[in-house]
Amino acid sequence: EAGVTQFPSHSVIEKGQTVTLRCDPISGHDNLYWYRRVMGKEIKFLLHFVKESKQDESGMPNNRFLAERTGGTYSTLKVQPAELEDSGVYFCASSPFTLLLMNTEAFFGQGTRLTVV
Amino acid sequence: GENVEQHPSTLSVQEGDSAVIKCTYSDSASNYFPWYKQELGKGPQLIIDIRSNVGEKKDQRIAVTLNKTAKHFSLHITETQPEDSAVYFCAAIGAGGTSYGKLTFGQGTILTVHP
Repeated sequence: EAGVTQFPSHSVIEKGQTVTLRCDPISGHDNLYWYRRVMGKEIKFLLHFVKESKQDESGMPNNRFLAERTGGTYSTLKVQPAELEDSGVYFCASSPFTLLLMNTEAFFGQGTRLTVV
Repeated sequence: GENVEQHPSTLSVQEGDSAVIKCTYSDSASNYFPWYKQELGKGPQLIIDIRSNVGEKKDQRIAVTLNKTAKHFSLHITETQPEDSAVYFCAAIGAGGTSYGKLTFGQGTILTVHP
C-alpha cells in the first residue's frame, strides 16, 4: 500500500512567485493535515480536511496560503505570492479517522522543502 | 491552546547507552501522546504512542512513560544503535479549545548515536 506522497520534494522559488504543493494521502483516509516546520523549530499545524471540507484552518499563516482538496482525494497548498519567511518543510499527513479516536494514527509524507530566495 | 516543550534539543550517546527525551505539555485535557522519528529526507514516522489511560508502554527497546499529574511524558531508548540516530518529536493531541483534535509538536531532539 502506498504511503502519503508529496510533490515536489524540493522547490526553490523567488520572492513574489507562486508555488503549489501537492499531497496524495493514503487511499481511503478521510482526514488530511498540512503541517510546516520552519528551520529548527517545531512542526506547526496549518489545517485539517475531512474529506473535501476544511475542518480546521486555524493554523494558516495568512491569506497568501490557499489549500484545497477537491473531491476529497489529493490536496494542494498554494502560496501566492511567496515571501522569504515561507521557507521551510511542508508536511502532509493523513489518517482514516479523527486522531481523538483510539487506535488511530497520522501517517506523514516525506515533506516538501520550500526555499524562497 | 496546547503548548509542548521538548528537551534536550540535541543528545549524543555512545552505542549501547540509553537515551531519554522529555516533554511537558500544558493542556491537562490532552489524551494522546505520540512520538515520531524523522530520518534524513523522510517524513516523521510514528514509533510509539501512549494514551492517557496508561502510565507506561514498551515496545522492544523503546518505552514511553506518562505522568498526567505533572503533565510530562518521556521517551526511553535502551541499547542504542547508530540507526537510532535521527530527529525525534514528541506531540500531544489537544482535547479542547483551539488545540482540539490536532497534533501539537515539541521542538525536536537531534539524537546522535556514536559507534
